[in-house]
Amino acid sequence: SYDLTQPPSVSVSPGQTARITCFGDELDEKHVAWYQQRPGQSPLMVMYQDDKRPSGIPERFSGSNSGNTATLTISETQALDEADYYCQVWGGTSVVFGGATRLTVL
Amino acid sequence: QVQLQESGPGLVKPSETLSLTCSVFGYSIRSGYFWGWIRQPPGKGPEWIGNIHQSGSTHYNPSIKSRVTVSVDASKNQFSLKMTSMTAADTAVYYCVRIIRSNSWNPICMDRWGQGTLVTVSS
Repeated sequence: SYDLTQPPSVSVSPGQTARITCFGDELDEKHVAWYQQRPGQSPLMVMYQDDKRPSGIPERFSGSNSGNTATLTISETQALDEADYYCQVWGGTSVVFGGATRLTVL
Repeated sequence: QVQLQESGPGLVKPSETLSLTCSVFGYSIRSGYFWGWIRQPPGKGPEWIGNIHQSGSTHYNPSIKSRVTVSVDASKNQFSLKMTSMTAADTAVYYCVRIIRSNSWNPICMDRWGQGTLVTVSS
């Protein structure tokens, strides 16, 4: 089975840039999506096909995928960005999610 | 504005079968999308269960495939999940989702989620 690895936590100061990484074997050969999940809410897709932003997602969110690592970048981080973030791919036989990265805005 | 709404029991006894239905509003299920189910145990990450296209084509998580059936009723703009032999390990919030598919007919991402329904397995 295919595995995705994320750091458990990332901390950032308000107004700074947060980068959340997702590691997987030959990940650049797959399309990566990212989801934001605030406490008590359903996940929200904030990036798809590596670097495409869904309608309604602020331009502060951007994505990249190169080699074995995909990155979700949040610029000018705000308190409302504090949430769990998950990366996700089609792993060949199954949809696969990474473990959560808890983004804390200090 | 597409909306998805799960319905079904919040409590299931061990060994019984879970049946959930997702009603889709504001969008026809007879589209090019897949429609599927994701679950999330308390305090854990999401887990894909399976999905269906209105044509009847399905994909299932290999780890639970033997217990799961996803079906569609296009006339009601609904799709459903049946999961057999429920245990405490199946306790989770169950979400129905709309899924973007690839040209090679695989699910690649979930662009709309329902609000989720908590299913507890307990006697």
